[in-house]
Amino acid sequence: QKEVEQDPGPLSVPEGAIVSLNCTYSNSAFQYFMWYRQYSRKGPELLMYTYSSGNKEDGRFTAQVDKSSKYISLFIRDSQPSDSATYLCAMSGRNGNNRLAFGKGNQVVVIP
Amino acid sequence: DAGVIQSPRHEVTEMGQEVTLRCKPISGHNSLFWYRQTMMRGLELLIYFNNNVPIDDSGMPEDRFSAKMPNASFSTLKIQPSEPRDSAVYFCASSFREEKLFFGSGTQLSVL
Repeated sequence: QKEVEQDPGPLSVPEGAIVSLNCTYSNSAFQYFMWYRQYSRKGPELLMYTYSSGNKEDGRFTAQVDKSSKYISLFIRDSQPSDSATYLCAMSGRNGNNRLAFGKGNQVVVIP
Repeated sequence: DAGVIQSPRHEVTEMGQEVTLRCKPISGHNSLFWYRQTMMRGLELLIYFNNNVPIDDSGMPEDRFSAKMPNASFSTLKIQPSEPRDSAVYFCASSFREEKLFFGSGTQLSVL
């Protein structure tokens, strides 16, 4: 079983819809949870950063962490064509960035 | 700040040839990471340096891969000899202490 599971299936939504992405993980030592956004032919960029369980909101983006279920989510409200990208979840234990485990990523297409 | 700079952006080579990828991290960052991204395996950490010292190279696939960081502003990843299965996008990333990771735009490597 991989440490981080993210269904890589592409997701197409109409502009204005809510996008829901999620990842599951197996390592109970993970404490830091991140979402990266990757545009085509670019490197990933950090979108959301959460420590331990709970919710974090930043504009149209909300990240949720449920450590009891080993499940994290990213919600994008009022999606825009500029949100079209691949979204990767990432997580790590006490060493932070040094041992990030990434999901394979979800390609999201927002149709105008 | 110009961000993490990688070169070349694209590299096409024949099996058996030596390939050298280059990276200039963000000035002031003390950690540098080399990742490889493929459709099948997603984003994988190959090696990371802290203060120019290799800390963890457990992700380096085999002896054909080597990485150096002669100073704080330059790192190389070398593959010798290259094989078709090395074809992937190689990313360099840097960070300051345990803070967010900044990725370069990657090198698309094709080994024929």
